[in-house]
Amino acid sequence: EVQLVESGGGLVQPGGSLRLSCAASGFTFSSYDMHWVRQATGKGLEWVSAIGTAGDPYYPGSVKGRFTISRENAKNSLYLQMNSLRAGDTAVYYCARGLSSIAAAAHWYFDLWGRGTLVTVSS
Amino acid sequence: VIWMTQSPSLLSASTGDRVTISCRMSQGISSYLAWYQQKPGKAPELLIYAASTLQSGVPSRFSGSGSGTDFTLTISCLQSEDFATYYCQQYYSFPTFGPGTKVDIK
Repeated sequence: EVQLVESGGGLVQPGGSLRLSCAASGFTFSSYDMHWVRQATGKGLEWVSAIGTAGDPYYPGSVKGRFTISRENAKNSLYLQMNSLRAGDTAVYYCARGLSSIAAAAHWYFDLWGRGTLVTVSS
Repeated sequence: VIWMTQSPSLLSASTGDRVTISCRMSQGISSYLAWYQQKPGKAPELLIYAASTLQSGVPSRFSGSGSGTDFTLTISCLQSEDFATYYCQQYYSFPTFGPGTKVDIK
């Protein structure tokens, strides 16, 4: 079965760190750009990071310098290291597979999503 | 940054209705637009990409149109399982999503 399964969420204090994992199965993980997208409770979706097949990372300004995306193709796994966490980072974090109609970064839409893992930043 | 708006934010409809959701961009994005459906407690699901291409497995009652700055998602005959929140997403530049349109029961 083609699927993504996130883990690693939980409660962390402001300023703390957390590492999320995403296990992929049912497709050739190494052939796809992979992403993290988050959603605060009752709010919309926000793209958080991407990593290309060659390991090249991309971030929006809201998390750049605090979050680090990585991948381990041999384990079909995606990771998100989150440091200096803030209350505003509280959200469900989804792992997503990205597709692009052209061979260029940034032009991604998402055809496969995990069920998400909840990150709560609170004292 | 490309700003996106969706209208309406809430749409009350009945089973069998034809519904239309609008997504507008602050600048032209050609056809780099996707639509997603999200049900409570679930992950989003891709419905349409490239503004009008139906994702495999998505019912044909869903359709998308538009290019440049104005886009539309249409559900031709609303079914009970279609009550959900719908998001547009541009991928002309780094991905951003619209604020969402909730379709609920009238």
